[in-house]
Amino acid sequence: ETGVTQSPTHLIKTRGQQVTLRCSSQSGHNTVSWYQQALGQGPQFIFQYYREEENGRGNFPPRFSGLQFPNYSSELNVNALELDDSALYLCASSLGGAGASYEQYFGPGTRLTVT
Amino acid sequence: DQQVKQNSPSLSVQEGRISILNCDYTNSMFDYFLWYKKYPAEGPTFLISISSIKDKNEDGRFTVFLNKSAKHLSLHIVPSQPGDSAVYFCAARNSGYALNFGKGTSLLVTP
Repeated sequence: ETGVTQSPTHLIKTRGQQVTLRCSSQSGHNTVSWYQQALGQGPQFIFQYYREEENGRGNFPPRFSGLQFPNYSSELNVNALELDDSALYLCASSLGGAGASYEQYFGPGTRLTVT
Repeated sequence: DQQVKQNSPSLSVQEGRISILNCDYTNSMFDYFLWYKKYPAEGPTFLISISSIKDKNEDGRFTVFLNKSAKHLSLHIVPSQPGDSAVYFCAARNSGYALNFGKGTSLLVTP
């Protein structure tokens, strides 16, 4: 069974630039959630994708957007990067729909630094 | 607005003793609670969960207790081992899709 993978591991961007982060879900899972974890804080929910549709969104501006692909992998895009976007971005996969499970399984994260 | 609170940033316990990590929540609509463990440079690892219709769930050395009237849950680790040293996050789910996390408690188990 393949776990959740994320790429890249680390990324350094300049304020105003755009970034794309990638996530491959655990085999058998059809739902992907993205979280932002700032230093010293718990993960904060950004949004969730189920069957290629956004299934819910946290308190993040529209410059945070995402996609889910037919193979259930996902991308997180952030436009017009700000210094406060510097954080660990975590992807979590789970099983949604019939027979859904509430447990979410996390990848190792992408550390984004905005200078 | 922090709906899940872990008021102890850190905890130190001797190997072999019990570790008790606490978590309080404010939203009575939360219906499922989870504990995650996180090592540096890794993502959170799912540990144990409990539904709001139960008051206890046990898995090996880990037991989670839920007191709905007090909006409080706790994670007990018995016996504690040095490999348990990590940051522990409490998370809660409402009828939607998001997990709401606390800020974490750093557990150090000393030999």
